[in-house]
Amino acid sequence: DTAVSQTPKYLVTQMGNDKSIKCEQNLGHDTMYWYKQDSKKFLKIMFSYNNKELIINETVPNRFSPKSPDKAHLNLHINSLELGDSAVYFCASSQGADWRGDRTDTQYFGPGTRLTVL
Amino acid sequence: GEDVEQSLFLSVREGDSSVINCTYTDSSSTYLYWYKQEPGAGLQLLTYIFSNMDMKQDQRLTVLLNKKDKHLSLRIADTQTGDSAIYFCAERRYSSASKIIFGSGTRLSIRP
Repeated sequence: DTAVSQTPKYLVTQMGNDKSIKCEQNLGHDTMYWYKQDSKKFLKIMFSYNNKELIINETVPNRFSPKSPDKAHLNLHINSLELGDSAVYFCASSQGADWRGDRTDTQYFGPGTRLTVL
Repeated sequence: GEDVEQSLFLSVREGDSSVINCTYTDSSSTYLYWYKQEPGAGLQLLTYIFSNMDMKQDQRLTVLLNKKDKHLSLRIADTQTGDSAIYFCAERRYSSASKIIFGSGTRLSIRP
């Protein structure tokens, strides 16, 4: 009955490798997000998809590519991993749309994926 | 980051009230949020306040919003050991409404 799930929970890999993190939500939400949390706990948005369409793409290296096969899934693929990519990556989802209206559009977060690049 | 600021640490005695502060700079904020992150877990929404409100109370939680000073606070009454966590303030701006911007988080520790 998990609302937002991510796999894997931990990922340890060598520099230069390519890896993917998967995210699924069963809340029926239209919008999904990827965040990066660094070692100082600073949380920064990377991408957001609304109905499978990319709506937020912050200044993230091209090595990061999100893919949304359907509204319930948003995967993050990372090419040529670097030491600085080590962080916790959080997926989140929300109902989405009408952000300037009177809806809070609460975001629900997954448990996170701790990526360690050696 | 992006001008949502919080102090990094707060230590309170069990049973006392905790007050976590946040300042922001954008006057177009529509909603302001408080999220809680326990160790090894994702963020959980605690409460939120719409920008036309001054105060919101929800059981042990009281949110105060001072729009003039762009200051948001979260008061936790009767702080318990289970309240130990990192608390993030976040804002949604009308100008970039599809995303919310998080503060750096305040680590709350409880001493006996």
